[in-house]
Amino acid sequence: DGGITQSPKYLFRKEGQNVTLSCEQNLNHDAMYWYRQDPGQGLRLIYYSQIVNDFQKGDIAEGYSVSREKKESFPLTVTSAQKNPTAFYLCASSPRQGYEQYFGPGTRLTVT
Amino acid sequence: ILNVEQSPQSLHVQEGDSTNFTCSFPSSNFYALHWYRWETAKSPEALFVMTLNGDEKKKGRISATLNTKEGYSYLYIKGSQPEDSATYLCASRTGANNLFFGTGTRLTVIP
Repeated sequence: DGGITQSPKYLFRKEGQNVTLSCEQNLNHDAMYWYRQDPGQGLRLIYYSQIVNDFQKGDIAEGYSVSREKKESFPLTVTSAQKNPTAFYLCASSPRQGYEQYFGPGTRLTVT
Repeated sequence: ILNVEQSPQSLHVQEGDSTNFTCSFPSSNFYALHWYRWETAKSPEALFVMTLNGDEKKKGRISATLNTKEGYSYLYIKGSQPEDSATYLCASRTGANNLFFGTGTRLTVIP
């Protein structure tokens, strides 16, 4: 089955801890994206990657980091520098940047 | 950051009614308009990608139109069914290629 997986579905962390959210795709897509959703707001782009070993900041990259060591994987680390980390995080991929995006099921992160 | 607006924010319709909602986006540097459907507990799923002014796309009972000169797109659902209940997202793409999403229209179809 081709698709995008994100794990875990729910994640709880204490304030001050870094946490890494997983995103894997087996669609052979070059581009991958991380979005954040907060109540009453549209999806906001955190980071994106057009190709392996390359990634770019999106609109709200502060307090986050990513890596793209493999084509199929694009993990997102929420660092302790992120002031409001509690949110719903969606990962997506597309054949190339700008093409139709395919989304994972999301991870809801709660930091207390 | 592009300002993409959707209205209404939420909508309740009776089963069998037809409905429509709007996505507004800046018309300058426009490249494409994407519509997604996002059911609760599932992943957003692509419905349409439109690029040309006057484009009209259809998938079953759902259709969409695009006006790039004035910067809006309409999504229509004919004869709404309970399974149409979802949040409908639009996203505008500029020449820079990233998508800018609206906040979505949450549709509830009452049986």
